[in-house]
Amino acid sequence: EPEVTQTPSHQVTQMGQEVILRCVPISNHLYFYWYRQILGQKVEFLVSFYNNEISEKSEIFDDQFSVERPDGSNFTLKIRSTKLEDSAMYFCAWTGFGDTQYFGPGTRLTVL
Amino acid sequence: SQQGEEDPQALSIQEGENATMNCSYKTSINNLQWYRQNSGRGLVHLILIRSNEREKHSGRLRVTLDTSKKSSSLLITASRAADTASYFCATIPNAGGTSYGKLTFGQGTILTVHP
Repeated sequence: EPEVTQTPSHQVTQMGQEVILRCVPISNHLYFYWYRQILGQKVEFLVSFYNNEISEKSEIFDDQFSVERPDGSNFTLKIRSTKLEDSAMYFCAWTGFGDTQYFGPGTRLTVL
Repeated sequence: SQQGEEDPQALSIQEGENATMNCSYKTSINNLQWYRQNSGRGLVHLILIRSNEREKHSGRLRVTLDTSKKSSSLLITASRAADTASYFCATIPNAGGTSYGKLTFGQGTILTVHP
């Protein structure tokens, strides 16, 4: 499976600031997902995205979060006003026409 | 236990030995996927097994699935120091026949292989 990129690899921000995390998938990917992993904890689902719409979201994905695919290539996760507890690794994931979910390398978000 | 719980939590073995990790889950699933994560890195997909399959092989990996017991195992044969990593199982629920749902992960097993 081809690699995708996530940018930035590490983001440090002040509490209350907005952050945008980016994932650049391959064009023939079908479903997109965002997950996060707080240090030492399990990977948690945030949201899935299909055909330019959210198809499912978790309780974590509240009004402070949004996703979009603005230009048909980048897939972004925005956190409007970061909190300390948003510090985590954020992974984008995708499927093609199979049901295997592949994960990007992740963005480490540190909120101070 | 929660959906997708692995045991043991940590496993330490010598190179050349086999490593077996177990995963249990609670709800009906469409498929179960195993991932590896090196410290601080991304998740690498290892193998997917569907609910109508009982066993799959990929290189030195062997995965079994017992839907009656809601459990799966991952066996790594002839382990190497490079296999040192955390291993996670993750399930997709059986909901409306779709296999594109969210993955629910377990806490993972930390495997250490000593040279």
